[in-house]
Amino acid sequence: QQQVKQSPQSLIVQKGGIPIINCAYENTAFDYFPWYQQFPGKGPALLIAIRPDVSEKKEGRFTISFNKSAKQFSLHIMDSQPGDSATYFCAAVYSGGYQKVTFGTGTKLQVIP
Amino acid sequence: KAGVTQTPRYLIKTRGQQVTLSCSPISGHRSVSWYQQTPGQGLQFLFEYFSETQRNKGNFPGRFSGRQFSNSRSEMNVSTLELGDSALYLCASSLALGDFSYNEQFFGPGTRLTVL
Repeated sequence: QQQVKQSPQSLIVQKGGIPIINCAYENTAFDYFPWYQQFPGKGPALLIAIRPDVSEKKEGRFTISFNKSAKQFSLHIMDSQPGDSATYFCAAVYSGGYQKVTFGTGTKLQVIP
Repeated sequence: KAGVTQTPRYLIKTRGQQVTLSCSPISGHRSVSWYQQTPGQGLQFLFEYFSETQRNKGNFPGRFSGRQFSNSRSEMNVSTLELGDSALYLCASSLALGDFSYNEQFFGPGTRLTVL
């Protein structure tokens, strides 16, 4: 059962554009929502994360928007650069469940110069 | 501080064989989780070990098993390999300081398993 739905599957933007990746979850017990960035040949690395009591979080050029009532959250990348080309995974965690992380299916982002 | 290491990095097996993958967590990390990554399914949680005990398990058949040693190193075993087991197997470690706080998971580079 897919508990975290992620879209789009792939995304191509020009340098300086603002790619947006969306995720939706079903289980209201989730209480932590991280985003991971994965480059080819590497494991995923934590990019930014948010708790559901916050509607927005910014770290550098990366912003998470969170809508608790709609059970949706999204990642925005401001002023995107070719170096941001990677696969991005949203995830949801129930911290009372010994850190079992449920991942979205991933979005492959390509930023063209 | 060294990151999470996984060995081997690449592996080719045939159907019916079994395989053992190894993961060495970051020093001081007590929790090790395993994930299967495939293009169609993304990252699927296999299981998590803490202090040599399996605390959490995903929805995988019993052919997938694991263990953790006293030094926190972990192994994952897949018996009777099937073509569909071809995937990137990722290991992640975390401090796991408390049951109710999320600790960042640090991923290794993965083991690419190909089943022919």
